[in-house]
Formats: sequence, structure tokens, C-alpha cells
Amino acid sequence: NAGVTQTPKFQVLKTGQSMTLQCAQDMNHEYMSWYRQDPGMGLRLIHYSVGAGITDQGEVPNGYNVSRSTTEDFPLRLLSAAPSQTSVYFCASSYSSAPPYNEQFFGPGTRLTVL
Amino acid sequence: KQEVTQIPAALSVPEGENLVLNCSFTDSAIYNLQWFRQDPGKGLTSLLLIQSSQREQTSGRLNASLDKSSGRSTLYIAASQPGDSATYLCAVLNDYKLSFGAGTTVTVRA
Repeated sequence: NAGVTQTPKFQVLKTGQSMTLQCAQDMNHEYMSWYRQDPGMGLRLIHYSVGAGITDQGEVPNGYNVSRSTTEDFPLRLLSAAPSQTSVYFCASSYSSAPPYNEQFFGPGTRLTVL
Repeated sequence: KQEVTQIPAALSVPEGENLVLNCSFTDSAIYNLQWFRQDPGKGLTSLLLIQSSQREQTSGRLNASLDKSSGRSTLYIAASQPGDSATYLCAVLNDYKLSFGAGTTVTVRA
């Protein structure tokens, strides 16, 4: 298994540009999520999904869209990039979306800079 | 809103000493607690998962305890090695959402 994969590893955008961060897992995990990690703020949940076709907002959803058309993929879209979205983005997944919840596995991250 | 605190923020110990990392959380209605390791510029590696009904979990030199009623967890790392140098994060799961502490950065001196 490749586990949780994320592309790209690095990205530089200009203010106002849009882009999609890709996340995929090959473990047949029901639950997938996106976090951002900022110095002094820790990791914060952006959006999550408990299965194909089902998504919901986390703590900091503004400026981001998600969809989940397949079990394997959970892309994160930045609609109009802003400097405040400069961060490291992590995708995570776990097998179950119901109790007992399993451990969550994280991807290697995407480092995004918005100029 | 769940708040997760990790103390201390940083720790430096000589090789061979045991490490004790603390994590506290404000809402005890958690499903589980997970400890992660993060190396600089890298992703998160899962170390241990403790379900809410469990008191502790062990893996090799690592042992984690959970006291849900008091909102506390402790990660013990026995006989530390320079390779244990990293940031350790704890996270608690409520209603599909993981809430993270800011982490404890550990340096093990050779």
C-alpha cells in the first residue's frame, strides 16, 4: 500500500489564483480529512468526509471547497488564494467513520505559499 | 470547543533518560486519543492510539496512559535515544474531529 499520498509537495501561488491539492489513499478508508498546520496555531481541521458523497466543515473551512466522488480521492480546492492561506496542508484518513474509530494516517503534506 | 494543551513545549535530555510528555484536554467526551511524532519538514507518524475505554497502550519503548475523567494523557518513552528527537503531538477525537495540541519538541543529547 502507498498509504496516503498528496500532490504537489510544494506550490507557490499568486493572490487570487485557484488550485486543487490532491489527496488519495489506497487503504479503502471511509474517513478522510484535511488539516492546515501553522506556527503557533497547531493543526486545524478544514473539511472532512465520512464516505463518498458526504462532506462537512471543520474548524477553518472558509476559502476552501471539497468533494468526495470516490472512496480513494479527497481533493481540496482553494477558490481564490490569499496570503493567509500560506500554510502546510495535511490530508489524513482512517478506516472507520463510526465507533470504534481507528487510528488516523497522515500524508506527507503540501507546502503552499501565496504571494 | 475542545482545547488540548501539551506541557512542556520543549524538552532536552541526555541519552538514556526516560521521557515524560503530558497532554491535557478540556472536554472528556472523547472517542479516542492518538499520539503522533513529527520530524522537521515531515508529516505525522502515528505512535499509539488509546480508545476512550482503555487506560493505557504500549508499543516497544513507548507507553501511553489515559485518564479520561481528568482529561489527561501521558506518553512515556523509556531509555531515550538521539533518534527520538522530534516533536510529539497528541490529538483527541470528538464527533469526527481531531483536536491537536501544539506539541512538545524533544531533543535527546548524545
